[in-house]
Amino acid sequence: TQLLEQSPQFLSIQEGENLTVYCNSSSVFSSLQWYRQEPGEGPVLLVTVVTGGEVKKLKRLTFQFGDARKDSSLHITAAQPGDTGLYLCAGELLGTYKYIFGTGTRLKVLA
Amino acid sequence: EAGVTQFPSHSVIEKGQTVTLRCDPISGHDNLYWYRRVMGKEIKFLLHFVKESKQDESGMPNNRFLAERTGGTYSTLKVQPAELEDSGVYFCASSSLSDRNEKLFFGSGTQLSVL
Repeated sequence: TQLLEQSPQFLSIQEGENLTVYCNSSSVFSSLQWYRQEPGEGPVLLVTVVTGGEVKKLKRLTFQFGDARKDSSLHITAAQPGDTGLYLCAGELLGTYKYIFGTGTRLKVLA
Repeated sequence: EAGVTQFPSHSVIEKGQTVTLRCDPISGHDNLYWYRRVMGKEIKFLLHFVKESKQDESGMPNNRFLAERTGGTYSTLKVQPAELEDSGVYFCASSSLSDRNEKLFFGSGTQLSVL
């Protein structure tokens, strides 16, 4: 069974703090995606990383794909209350179009 | 451009009844996926259509679940008869075959409650 472990599951921080969310697996992925989901909505894609070692930045969010394409991290700098939400990683299994999802990180940023 | 739409948004049924969920993907998207999130668990893959063909249905829990995509446009997922453990949020997603990085667009999901 392929697993994508995401940590931490819950995170509550003060506005202005930095944080990092991790996704780890023993499986190699063709690509890995990060999503953010709001209550009552479906996941919305933030970024796709494809190449091992790739780093992508989206404003205050930095995404990194591990060299071996088995893990990824999401770093948020100077978190804002608007960053509050559920963050999900999803890895595309090699040779398939099937994605496996992490359990999610529920982030709360306090003003 | 209209996004992925799912209907209904919520469904409450009794054990043993039948429920049909519908997904309208983004126009022109050949890839269509069904995913499910059961309370407290991660989102799990159910199946993948390419146009009207089932590419991968390895995630379907059992034969009480039937997915169709006649004509390669909208898709339905029928659960018959529904059991308590089928409760959860069912998501549909679509993407374009021509997008190698395959940006997945998700619908808002159908919250299914089986009582």
